[in-house]
Amino acid sequence: ELKVEQNPLFLSMQEGKNYTIYCNYSTTSDRLYWYRQDPGKSLESLFVLLSNGAVKQEGRLMASLDTKARLSTLHITAAVHDLSATYFCAAPPGGQGNLIFGKGTKLSVKP
Amino acid sequence: GAGVSQSPSNKVTEKGKDVELRCDPISGHTALYWYRQRLGQGLEFLIYFQGNSAPDKSGLPSDRFSAERTGESVSTLTIQRTQQEDSAVYLCASSLVAGGLSGAQYFGPGTRLLVL
Repeated sequence: ELKVEQNPLFLSMQEGKNYTIYCNYSTTSDRLYWYRQDPGKSLESLFVLLSNGAVKQEGRLMASLDTKARLSTLHITAAVHDLSATYFCAAPPGGQGNLIFGKGTKLSVKP
Repeated sequence: GAGVSQSPSNKVTEKGKDVELRCDPISGHTALYWYRQRLGQGLEFLIYFQGNSAPDKSGLPSDRFSAERTGESVSTLTIQRTQQEDSAVYLCASSLVAGGLSGAQYFGPGTRLLVL
């Protein structure tokens, strides 16, 4: 059974600082997804990582995937307040279409 | 184009009543998913539909929960004899195909269900 774990679950950062959110998953998966959720809102797709070594960047966020280590990272560069949200990673159980989500990392960026 | 829509946006019901939640996926998306998100928690998979295949019901928590989909369009999630622990946000998502090349799922705004 696929399990997805994120850490940290809570992250308070100062503007301008860098940090990394980690996502580990327990069984083989060939893809990994990152989503953002603002309070009271639905989920917004950020990145889809489809292969080992995949790296994608959008603004101050960069995601990478290491399928051998079963690890994905979401790196935040020079954080700004607008990045405050909850970030989820998710992976599909082998051969299935649904996603298993981590518990989410609640990011708070303070001035 | 239009995204995934869900109705109602909020639903308050009494324990023991039945509720129906509706989802309209993105046009052309053959896969449709239902998830549940309890307060402060991650998403919990409930059920998904892929085209005309039998739905994957493996995430449904009890036989009080059921879902139907009309062709490749609207889906309805029904909860019978609601319990207080059913209180959550119910999110619907759709994708071009289940587990396809990218498999990116696009989420609706959710239905907030409160069972008193």
